[in-house]
Amino acid sequence: DSGVTQTPKHLITATGQRVTLRCSPRSGDLSVYWYQQSLDQGLQFLIQYYNGEERAKGNILERFSAQQFPDLHSELNLSSLELGDSALYFCASSVTPGVSEKLFFGSGTQLSVL
Amino acid sequence: DQQVKQNSPSLSVQEGRISILNCDYTNSMFDYFLWYKKYPAEGPTFLISISSIKDKNEDGRFTVFLNKSAKHLSLHIVPSQPGDSAVYFCAAINTGNQFYFGTGTSLTVIP
Repeated sequence: DSGVTQTPKHLITATGQRVTLRCSPRSGDLSVYWYQQSLDQGLQFLIQYYNGEERAKGNILERFSAQQFPDLHSELNLSSLELGDSALYFCASSVTPGVSEKLFFGSGTQLSVL
Repeated sequence: DQQVKQNSPSLSVQEGRISILNCDYTNSMFDYFLWYKKYPAEGPTFLISISSIKDKNEDGRFTVFLNKSAKHLSLHIVPSQPGDSAVYFCAAINTGNQFYFGTGTSLTVIP
């Protein structure tokens, strides 16, 4: 158990809908990262938050947004969903975004857009 | 643009033999490298790492080698065990603390 909790584990929805994925980082971790893993793709970095502030952005679509709350949990909002958004979404956390810092991953949310 | 590449999507090895997983990167600004292991229905878990100032790091059955001139990283597992069957991701961190992951190599260790 990595200590990172993601809910829900599975989500099935229709095109055009909006969903929210939730992540609770490990106790004490201030930094939260969101990754997308599509079929045959590696882990694509979406966005990073550190202590409530956006730290870095990756290949995140404008239809997607995220935030980190004062209690350090994070939510990833996906709107106007398309078939191609079907993927495994991982949250990861670390104490600080240092160079040698390891990421601890949650078990992911499997999103299926039908 | 995939800055970290794992060109072998899959690898099969007999139990007890050596498994060698390869990773190439393009960005010379990467200064820390990691390997993650992922079982089905679980998130990736950290396995081993290496700083760019080293060329080898060993942890039990796992050894990571770094060849900076070739921008190449490899993970050696010896001896391989059936429990090692998983997807292995190579990752690199640049000086801006950004993590870049490869596409993964699925290792199957045959008993």
